[in-house]
Amino acid sequence: SQQGEEDPQALSIQEGENATMNCSYKTSINNLQWYRQNSGRGLVHLILIRSNEREKHSGRLRVTLDTSKKSSSLLITASRAADTASYFCATGGTTSGTYKYIFGTGTRLKVLA
Amino acid sequence: NAGVTQTPKFRVLKTGQSMTLLCAQDMNHEYMYWYRQDPGMGLRLIHYSVGEGTTAKGEVPDGYNVSRLKKQNFLLGLESAAPSQTSVYFCASSRTRTRFFGPGTRLTVL
Repeated sequence: SQQGEEDPQALSIQEGENATMNCSYKTSINNLQWYRQNSGRGLVHLILIRSNEREKHSGRLRVTLDTSKKSSSLLITASRAADTASYFCATGGTTSGTYKYIFGTGTRLKVLA
Repeated sequence: NAGVTQTPKFRVLKTGQSMTLLCAQDMNHEYMYWYRQDPGMGLRLIHYSVGEGTTAKGEVPDGYNVSRLKKQNFLLGLESAAPSQTSVYFCASSRTRTRFFGPGTRLTVL
């Protein structure tokens, strides 16, 4: 069963603009992670936000979590061509161990120079 | 540190053939995972291991077997490959929640 679903599926912006992508999920979670995948490569962890946190920052990344709406957003500010990649959310459940994460289908971001 | 490495990077099989994908990590992680990635499906967990000598089924385990004889290695086997197993396979490891992924193996089954 697919837990996280990203929106939009694809996003194209100009360099310097901000990029926002969203993740919605169905059941209660313990935490949520965001990963980036460059074309032809493995996923790279970006940030983790716990269910008792509402916002978290890491460099140009800002993640929010709204557990009442079961949704999270990833904002990339001042985007660069190097940010071109697919971005995935992964949701971790409340009842299972550290291995129980479900990945969404991803948002493909293209940053035009 | 090499992190997580996968062998081979590419492979083409005929239906019914068998093969083993090798994953190795040098971070001393307890947990290891095998995922498959298909267009429009995201990553789906095939099997995972919470420690040396232990394995467990994930979301889509049918047609695959795994072994974790050494802590640093996690093997994924296909006994009789089918076209539906054409996919990109990713191995990952973790100490806690953050997964570290390998570069992937692109498998085509004809």
